[in-house]
Amino acid sequence: KQEVTQIPAALSVPEGENLVLNCSFTDSAIYNLQWFRQDPGKGLTSLLLIQSSQREQTSGRLNASLDKSSGRSTLYIAASQPGDSATYLCAVNLQGAQKLVFGQGTRLTINP
Amino acid sequence: GAVVSQHPSWVICKSGTSVKIECRSLDFQATTMFWYRQFPKQSLMLMATSNEGSKATYEQGVEKDKFLINHASLTLSTLTVTSAHPEDSSFYICSEGQGFTDTQYFGPGTRLTVL
Repeated sequence: KQEVTQIPAALSVPEGENLVLNCSFTDSAIYNLQWFRQDPGKGLTSLLLIQSSQREQTSGRLNASLDKSSGRSTLYIAASQPGDSATYLCAVNLQGAQKLVFGQGTRLTINP
Repeated sequence: GAVVSQHPSWVICKSGTSVKIECRSLDFQATTMFWYRQFPKQSLMLMATSNEGSKATYEQGVEKDKFLINHASLTLSTLTVTSAHPEDSSFYICSEGQGFTDTQYFGPGTRLTVL
């Protein structure tokens, strides 16, 4: 059974810092891995999607990497801003079934 | 990206009543929609996969007779929580899928509170 773990559960940093969020998964048989952002009481916004054949994806100040063999992904946020405060979820799309398995999320707070 | 709406955005009901939540794909014909549940400070858990014109596929541990899913058209899937109880209080989110290798687009969610 695929399990997705995110570390840390919560993170608070001052504005302007670069930071890394971690995601690990137990079964490397995935189609892709996605990072989402969720604001309190809201739905999910897709940030980055990495196909299983890719190593990384970049969008603006965000960079996500994928090491499928070791079951790890990281989300790097450069020059953090208060508007980046949200919960960040990673999810793997299981190979052979269009299902997303989510991690517990990292609750990020950027302090002005 | 695709736009998915949900209605209502929040609902409060008495224990024992039924509640219907709608999920609409506004700009895409979605043959497959997904229903997730999120308890406070927990992650999303897939409840069921809704396929247009056929029966939904439920995840292990999800009662199909309690959570009725109907996907009668390519733009609308509904989730009905029957005989709701306080433990059903949760955040319900739907999404539409566009293939194995593509992302899912999520609705804004529906907050259900059962008194």
